[in-house]
Amino acid sequence: DAGVIQSPRHEVTEMGQEVTLRCKPISGHNSLFWYRQTMMRGLELLIYFNNNVPIDDSGMPEDRFSAKMPNASFSTLKIQPSEPRDSAVYFCASRIGTGESDTQYFGPGTRLTVL
Amino acid sequence: RKEVEQDPGPFNVPEGATVAFNCTYSNSASQSFFWYRQDCRKEPKLLMSVYSSGNEDGRFTAQLNRASQYISLLIRDSKLSDSATYLCVVNKSGYKLSFGAGTTVTVRA
Repeated sequence: DAGVIQSPRHEVTEMGQEVTLRCKPISGHNSLFWYRQTMMRGLELLIYFNNNVPIDDSGMPEDRFSAKMPNASFSTLKIQPSEPRDSAVYFCASRIGTGESDTQYFGPGTRLTVL
Repeated sequence: RKEVEQDPGPFNVPEGATVAFNCTYSNSASQSFFWYRQDCRKEPKLLMSVYSSGNEDGRFTAQLNRASQYISLLIRDSKLSDSATYLCVVNKSGYKLSFGAGTTVTVRA
């Protein structure tokens, strides 16, 4: 079975450019999460969708970040304009339920470098 | 204070050794606890859930101490393939997971 799919796997861009990260959750999963991982801050939740609706975006750093989930099989995380401090690994994760014990499955991540 | 704190290590152990490490969490109302494993430049993957009574999964044993708010992981008969970073994860509420910074384990031949 296919896991969570993310693209691109690596992105190098220049400061000020727009960056769009893409995620396809596991089929049948109704919850989707975007995380950011850095050495300094570890793994941080950016935004959580349930049934395609954003439930919690309190982790989104600032207005330069936006996320959408137009349907159950696709989500995007956009950074506009990008800054060097946005350099990190961005993970998308999905899970089938909403219970505390439901496992989150992570995608392989997008390694973003902003020069 | 961080929500989940871990000894970053690294723990360098020979093959066959036993290694154990803990993490502490700050929210006494937390209900669910997990250990995730993350290999270098890979995504985190669930290793095991942690139950109040303690639980084993092969060579891995997890313990939860609610009174002291700590979770432990013990790896017996370490293999080279156990080399990874182990993330302590606490479920704050429903969907929100708090991740520790990770404990790095290196098993040497």
